[in-house]
Amino acid sequence: DVVMTQSPLSLPVTLGQPASISCRSSQSLAHSDGNTYLSWFQQRPGQSPRRLIYQVSNRDSGVPDRFSGSGSGTDFTLEISRVEAEDVGVYYCMQGTHWPQLTFGGGSKVEIK
Amino acid sequence: QVQLVESGGGLVRPGGSLRLSCAASGFTFTDYFMSWIRQAPGKGLEWISYIGERSDILYYADSVKGRFTISRDNSKNSLYLQMNSLRAEDTAIYYCATLRYSSIDYWGQGTLVTVSS
Repeated sequence: DVVMTQSPLSLPVTLGQPASISCRSSQSLAHSDGNTYLSWFQQRPGQSPRRLIYQVSNRDSGVPDRFSGSGSGTDFTLEISRVEAEDVGVYYCMQGTHWPQLTFGGGSKVEIK
Repeated sequence: QVQLVESGGGLVRPGGSLRLSCAASGFTFTDYFMSWIRQAPGKGLEWISYIGERSDILYYADSVKGRFTISRDNSKNSLYLQMNSLRAEDTAIYYCATLRYSSIDYWGQGTLVTVSS
């Protein structure tokens, strides 16, 4: 099974400052089809998750451009260039490369200092 | 717009059964794998099951294998999860979600299942 490890677990950030979340997989997420199936999700308090990023770095429609994803192989990063109040919540990475067992990271909580 | 509306959650005693439903609209249901993902109170996300477009591919997490059954009715644009032999550790919000290109596009609002005596 592929294990997804996120850090930090909690990230206090000052409004307007950048934030960075790491996600590491126990196996390479590079698929034989040439794609890397790593997604990022945001879950605001009391809400369902929503996808922000798919295939490492592709932003979903409507996602602010202050969110960006990067990485390859086993190391991936979600960055928020300038944190806003609405960004408070828990962020999860997810691997979709190694079927049948698709796995989420444990989550990283972003909060305002 | 895409809508996924779960129903069927509630309070059930240990060992009991429950059937969750998910009504889908706003997209071509038969183009998507569908999945169930759960979240225990204060915890992270856990895949528990998914089903192929024609019900030809099924997956269950070890934690629910043999107890839960996923199904879909493409004529009704609906997804189901039959949950038997429920345990306290099955207490969670259950989300219906679309699965395409190895990622989740859309999530429902979730339905709460509480297993308690």
